[in-house]
Amino acid sequence: NAGVTQTPKFQVLKTGQSMTLQCAQDMNHNSMYWYRQDPGMGLRLIYYSASEGTTDKGEVPNGYNVSRLNKREFSLRLESAAPSQTSVYFCASIRDRSQMVEQYFGPGTRLTVT
Amino acid sequence: QKEVEQNSGPLSVPEGAIASLNCTYSDRGSQSFFWYRQYSGKSPELIMSIYSNGDKEDGRFTAQLNKASQYVSLLIRDSQPSDSATYLCAVSRVNQGGKLIFGQGTELSVKP
Repeated sequence: NAGVTQTPKFQVLKTGQSMTLQCAQDMNHNSMYWYRQDPGMGLRLIYYSASEGTTDKGEVPNGYNVSRLNKREFSLRLESAAPSQTSVYFCASIRDRSQMVEQYFGPGTRLTVT
Repeated sequence: QKEVEQNSGPLSVPEGAIASLNCTYSDRGSQSFFWYRQYSGKSPELIMSIYSNGDKEDGRFTAQLNKASQYVSLLIRDSQPSDSATYLCAVSRVNQGGKLIFGQGTELSVKP
């Protein structure tokens, strides 16, 4: 049971390049989330998927797209990377969206855009 | 006003002392409250969750929730150098898709 996994762990992009961050969970969780973490800012929600086939915007969705490929996988795509997207990206998942919502995080992807 | 606020620190305590971390939130509809520990370069790790007013104890950790005053705190007894990390407070509302709102985190340093 690997929990939540993310690939890649590190990535350097040039401005304007595109890439997809991958996230997978093996806990049979329904809901998955993408956050970014910047120094002194805590974690901010980019997009989330309450269930397979649905996605919704979070607090900072601009410049990103997501795909909930199946119940296990939730990917985050940067179509045209900008230096402002330099950050650490975390994927998380929970079993259901009822009151008890304890989220579990993947190890993160450290992205630098030059 | 930020939805979830924490003192950024750093908070420095001697080994063996009690570390007290505080968090306030603005949304009275918040129902669930969490404390995550994050070591440098690592992902957040859930250490405590609390859903009703009062105290909840788990080993050396005690979470305290006061919904009337809109604050939640974390006490760490017998602090150890291994407790040195950033502690993130997070809150969520019912029927909000399980979304968490995080504070900016408090950096704790436990000195031997």
